[in-house]
Amino acid sequence: DQQVKQNSPSLSVQEGRISILNCDYTNSMFDYFLWYKKYPAEGPTFLISISSIKDKNEDGRFTVFLNKSAKHLSLHIVPSQPGDSAVYFCAASPNSGYALNFGKGTSLLVTP
Amino acid sequence: DSGVTQTPKHLITATGQRVTLRCSPRSGDLSVYWYQQSLDQGLQFLIQYYNGEERAKGNILERFSAQQFPDLHSELNLSSLELGDSALYFCASSVTSENTEAFFGQGTRLTVV
Repeated sequence: DQQVKQNSPSLSVQEGRISILNCDYTNSMFDYFLWYKKYPAEGPTFLISISSIKDKNEDGRFTVFLNKSAKHLSLHIVPSQPGDSAVYFCAASPNSGYALNFGKGTSLLVTP
Repeated sequence: DSGVTQTPKHLITATGQRVTLRCSPRSGDLSVYWYQQSLDQGLQFLIQYYNGEERAKGNILERFSAQQFPDLHSELNLSSLELGDSALYFCASSVTSENTEAFFGQGTRLTVV
C-alpha cells in the first residue's frame, strides 16, 4: 500500500513563476518528511526536510509546508528556473529509524 | 557526486539467472539501504544494513538477499530472476541508522530478458 502519495505525475510551470508540488501521506506515525530531486540517469539528491514539530522550513528558493491535521505537505519553488526541471520525490519516515517511504514522484518542467 | 558508488551501472541478464549488485557507501557512513524503482513506481525500500548487521527489512522478496561486509560495502543478490525484476536498483548511505538525508548512488539498471 502506498503510504506516501504524489497525485500529480507531472507539472509544467513558466520560468520565474512559483512551482507547487504536493504530497499526501496516510500513516500518522510519520513525523519526518523530505523532498528529493532526481535528474535522469542520476540518483535522487536530498533537497529539503521538515520535522513534524514545524509547519514550515525554508532554504533559499525552496520552502516546504507541513499540515499535520490534513496529512499533507507541499514544496514551493520560487522563482522556478529551467534547471529545476527534474522529478521530485516526497518521502516520509517515523522517528524510529525506519527507512524512508517514497511517493511515485512528480515530474516538473520549467519552461523559459 | 554523492560519494556513493554502485556497480555495475547496467546489467542485462536472462530469466532464471542470478546477479550481484555492489554498493560502496560514502566514507564514514555506516548505514546502507537498498531501494528498487520499477517503471511508474516510487522507490520501494528493500533492506537496510547498519555497521554490518541487518537493521530493517521492507518489501524484499525471498529470492533477494543482501549483506554488508566489514569494510561497509554492500551487495544485493538477486536470484531466479523474473521479467518483473527489471528495475533500477538504488543504494543509499547515511552516517547513522536513521534514514534521514541519505545519499543515493546513481543506481544499477537491471534488465531481465
